[in-house]
Amino acid sequence: DTAVSQTPKYLVTQMGNDKSIKCEQNLGHDTMYWYKQDSKKFLKIMFSYNNKELIINETVPNRFSPKSPDKAHLNLHINSLELGDSAVYFCASSFTSGTGVYGYTFGSGTRLTVV
Amino acid sequence: SQELEQSPQSLIVQEGKNLTINCTSSKTLYGLYWYKQKYGEGLIFLMMLQKGGEEKSHEKITAKLDEKKQQSSLHITASQPSHAGIYLCGAVRRGGSQGNLIFGKGTKLSVKP
Repeated sequence: DTAVSQTPKYLVTQMGNDKSIKCEQNLGHDTMYWYKQDSKKFLKIMFSYNNKELIINETVPNRFSPKSPDKAHLNLHINSLELGDSAVYFCASSFTSGTGVYGYTFGSGTRLTVV
Repeated sequence: SQELEQSPQSLIVQEGKNLTINCTSSKTLYGLYWYKQKYGEGLIFLMMLQKGGEEKSHEKITAKLDEKKQQSSLHITASQPSHAGIYLCGAVRRGGSQGNLIFGKGTKLSVKP
């Protein structure tokens, strides 16, 4: 079983459309994340979320919104897609204890292309 | 500003040679992760270091975190073509209730047979 799975793997869509990327983790982790990897392969946090708190990176446009139906899922909704949104989006999860953050696991990524 | 600096940005080595990749921070690192990424694929977890002076090994890859917890190195012994890929270090950002990882820009490793 895949620990962190995201779908679809590839997504090609036109400017202005609204799309969603799904993410599920079966690790029992308490926190999930969305990262964006740009064309230069630089990975940057977009959101982190557990059942208590959503933290949004201030540079993320409000066209992007995370939705968590339960602890095992964190979906990413994107409205009014723009060309600059083209990137690879990675979902991740971890668990937090008193001594730190552990078990950081990434999904295989969703390559989004906006045309 | 970039909080984690990786060096070198790219590296080409002959198969069988040893190599080292460095990850440096201006701030104390609270949990340092090393990942490997092949083109078009996800991030493969290699190792996680947390304590100053800690060292971990897996097969031919060894990672160390210095005593001050501001620099980590990844050492590959007797490199093989299967080691080729992009190596990323990520550090947990202190503060807040979640452990966002701040990543370096990666080191692209090519191994020539």
